Amino acid sequence: QSVLTQPPSVSAAPGQKVIISCSGSTSNIGRGFISWYQQLPGAAPKFLIYDNNKRPSGIPDRFSASKSGTSATLGITGLQTGDEAEYYCGTWDNSLSAWVFGGGTKVTVL
Amino acid sequence: QVQLQESGPGLVKPSETLSLTCSVSGGSMTISTYFWGWIRQPPAMGLEWIGSVSHSGHTYYNPSLRSRLTTSVDTSKSQFSLTLSSVTAADTAVYYCVRQSYDILTDYYVFDYWSQGSLVTVSS
Repeated sequence: QSVLTQPPSVSAAPGQKVIISCSGSTSNIGRGFISWYQQLPGAAPKFLIYDNNKRPSGIPDRFSASKSGTSATLGITGLQTGDEAEYYCGTWDNSLSAWVFGGGTKVTVL
Repeated sequence: QVQLQESGPGLVKPSETLSLTCSVSGGSMTISTYFWGWIRQPPAMGLEWIGSVSHSGHTYYNPSLRSRLTTSVDTSKSQFSLTLSSVTAADTAVYYCVRQSYDILTDYYVFDYWSQGSLVTVSS
């Protein structure tokens, strides 16, 4: 069971928007910064978002994120078939003294 | 472009020691704002951080694995390594080596470069 809670799956039609939630506590999301990772089928995770809402170079602005209190969200607009992947949130947990991740959310483009 | 490539046995017997090495290319290992880490992913499951090491050998580990874990770095070879002792079937996973980059503005790290991953199966 993961420390950060994500929905197992979300789906939407091409061109639409999906939002993925990530819920934690005051010892992790509530006290620090969250990052997001995209794992395409059969591939390694890829760095997607850092510092709650910043995109590394090369990540399209269709991907956005935010944090409020002990929860965070990742949004994908203009959904494309190439966005079908597993998405993970991650941050430091001060109580566990460990980097922790959510269980992952599978995005399906209908 | 930084690239990481792990190497090591794909099959380890129960109770034995798992050893992996990660080779780094395309960038320096000795920059102080980097840590070099390991993350694993059991089949059809999520991500678990294992531990990290700096270029100077400072380590920090997942408390759940600390008693069985050792990481080291050899900057002269641009490599860092992982050993996990007394393995069981629960240690079967894809193992990724990663670069952790420090953000001076937030005092936080992110996992910005990942290897392709190596499946290690624990079985007799």
